[in-house]
Amino acid sequence: AQKITQTQPGMFVQEKEAVTLDCTYDTSDPSYGLFWYKQPSSGEMIFLIYQGSYDQQNATEGRYSLNFQKARKSANLVISASQLGDSAMYFCAMREVTNYQLIWGAGTKLIIKP
Amino acid sequence: EAQVTQNPRYLITVTGKKLTVTCSQNMNHEYMSWYRQDPGLGLRQIYYSMNVEVTDKGDVPEGYKVSRKEKRNFPLILESPSPNQTSLYFCASSFEGLRSREKEPGEQFFGPGTRLTVL
Repeated sequence: AQKITQTQPGMFVQEKEAVTLDCTYDTSDPSYGLFWYKQPSSGEMIFLIYQGSYDQQNATEGRYSLNFQKARKSANLVISASQLGDSAMYFCAMREVTNYQLIWGAGTKLIIKP
Repeated sequence: EAQVTQNPRYLITVTGKKLTVTCSQNMNHEYMSWYRQDPGLGLRQIYYSMNVEVTDKGDVPEGYKVSRKEKRNFPLILESPSPNQTSLYFCASSFEGLRSREKEPGEQFFGPGTRLTVL
């Protein structure tokens, strides 16, 4: 069964608009971490934001925030005021404390239109 | 500068010719991992290592070998490469020490990737 689901294969968003990238996960482990990575066309993997399962508040890093809804097992990435440089693939990933593997979603290709 | 380095960045080779992709990190991380990325399949873990001399298989280990003789290095070895191993490969590392609150898994730092083509 899929442990990480990203339901949006691709998205087009107008520059300066906010964008939400969806991610749902499945785990029975009470302790886990959720990550978002960005992969531009150049290929490198860039860490964006992390949310721990015991964090009481949603994580924020500059224009990135994570809308963490634990009961719904959802960890959506919100990018405020999108820029052309935000065009990239975005991956959601999860790591359970009892399992050293990082489990990845299939990714969402985000294209920002000028 | 804290980083994960991989070499080579690009490699074209032929079927059956043994090759090694090196990975090195300077952050004293315990955990290191190799992934391959193929279109439409996301990242899949090949092997990982929890510490020196401790390695384990990921989801797609067939056709690959690894070793962890030193903490900083985690080379990926393809003894007899085949065309289905044509892919983009990433090495990653993370800190696995105890934290001040509930134990949390560590953020993984990625190398720049190695694009391998096997003809």
